[in-house]
Amino acid sequence: DQQVKQNSPSLSVQEGRISILNCDYTNSMFDYFLWYKKYPAEGPTFLISISSIKDKNEDGRFTVFLNKSAKHLSLHIVPSQPGDSAVYFCAAMTSNFGNEKLTFGTGTRLTIIP
Amino acid sequence: DVKVTQSSRYLVKRTGEKVFLECVQDMDHENMFWYRQDPGLGLRLIYFSYDVKMKEKGDIPEGYSVSREKKERFSLILESASTNQTSMYLCAISSGETQYFGPGTRLLVL
Repeated sequence: DQQVKQNSPSLSVQEGRISILNCDYTNSMFDYFLWYKKYPAEGPTFLISISSIKDKNEDGRFTVFLNKSAKHLSLHIVPSQPGDSAVYFCAAMTSNFGNEKLTFGTGTRLTIIP
Repeated sequence: DVKVTQSSRYLVKRTGEKVFLECVQDMDHENMFWYRQDPGLGLRLIYFSYDVKMKEKGDIPEGYSVSREKKERFSLILESASTNQTSMYLCAISSGETQYFGPGTRLLVL
């Protein structure tokens, strides 16, 4: 049972344009969401997160939007740069469980076309 | 800066061998995690530990065990490696609600 879903395995975007990566979840107990970026043969690096008490969080070129009623979040990257080409994972947790356990999606491979 | 190190970047082992993957953190974090990453399957949690000598099964613990004798070190053990355990293994620690990952160990079981 995949509780966190990234339905697009891959996405190609022109350099300078906006990249939008989507993520859906089914568990209504999730209240904290994170995005990670992963290059080949490296560990994932944390990008940005959002708590369920917010609907938007912004950090430089990265913005995460949360729609709790739709159980949907998205990551916007603008403008997209060649170094953004990587696999992006969304992750979710229930923060009051105390064990900080994350559930990950299957990932979206983003390719930025120069 | 959080630093998580893993003992090997690449490993090649034979079926039936006992394999040890080590993870070391340089801060006093309590929670440590082992994941495997496979194409199309994302990151799947194998085991996690929230204190010395404490461990809990994740989503796919079969074929694996763990050891945490010291706070800074969390080991993943493949008792008898099999080809379906060929994967990228990732260790993480948590700081607040955010997990930070090591560089990963790519394990090939022949």
